[in-house]
Amino acid sequence: DTGVSQDPRHKITKRGQNVTFRCDPISEHNRLYWYRQTLGQGPEFLTYFQNEAQLEKSRLLSDRFSAERPKGSFSTLEIQRTEQGDSAMYLCASSRGGGSEAFFGQGTRLTVV
Amino acid sequence: AQRVTQPEKLLSVFKGAPVELKCNYSYSGSPELFWYVQYSRQRLQLLLRHISRESIKGFTADLNKGETSFHLKKPFAQEEDSAMYYCALEPAWGSSNTGKLIFGQGTTLQVKP
Repeated sequence: DTGVSQDPRHKITKRGQNVTFRCDPISEHNRLYWYRQTLGQGPEFLTYFQNEAQLEKSRLLSDRFSAERPKGSFSTLEIQRTEQGDSAMYLCASSRGGGSEAFFGQGTRLTVV
Repeated sequence: AQRVTQPEKLLSVFKGAPVELKCNYSYSGSPELFWYVQYSRQRLQLLLRHISRESIKGFTADLNKGETSFHLKKPFAQEEDSAMYYCALEPAWGSSNTGKLIFGQGTTLQVKP
């Protein structure tokens, strides 16, 4: 599968623990996006990168969240001191930019117990 | 405020019946509008976008700026159309082209045999 890849697919963690998710975009795509989707809602934008630069962050992204894309290829999303409200599907998408189509990964489902 | 509203959580129709999935948006500028679809156990994927003016899988969508709507239509529903459909808006398209998407809550389309 040469599409957007996310790892892990599922993560169960105890409240207060830190978690990190990885996203591997389609190789020639310079833009990478993170979204969060809770039950019964559409995806909500969290942040995006153009190459290694993080260009926009949503107010949803509290201080406990951090995202990186160190070499402009894969990206990581870390949540520190997880809370039950962080339970959601975390989606990654990538595109060539310039108005081109965004391709989504299958998501990482986080459950905080 | 930038917002996308899909008033129906569930739309259930019989095979062969016409389908209209409603989408209204709130945005003061010139957005680009999209419909994304998620089939069971598959990732979110682009169905169609306003600028392309295409018909995909028999679906069409017309942007009505006066009513700020972008309803998705198909004259004859098929069972394989059963899926979750999300309307999405890209703000300030053409000027900044961030690719950031604002999604509606989604409508489940159920096509009965």
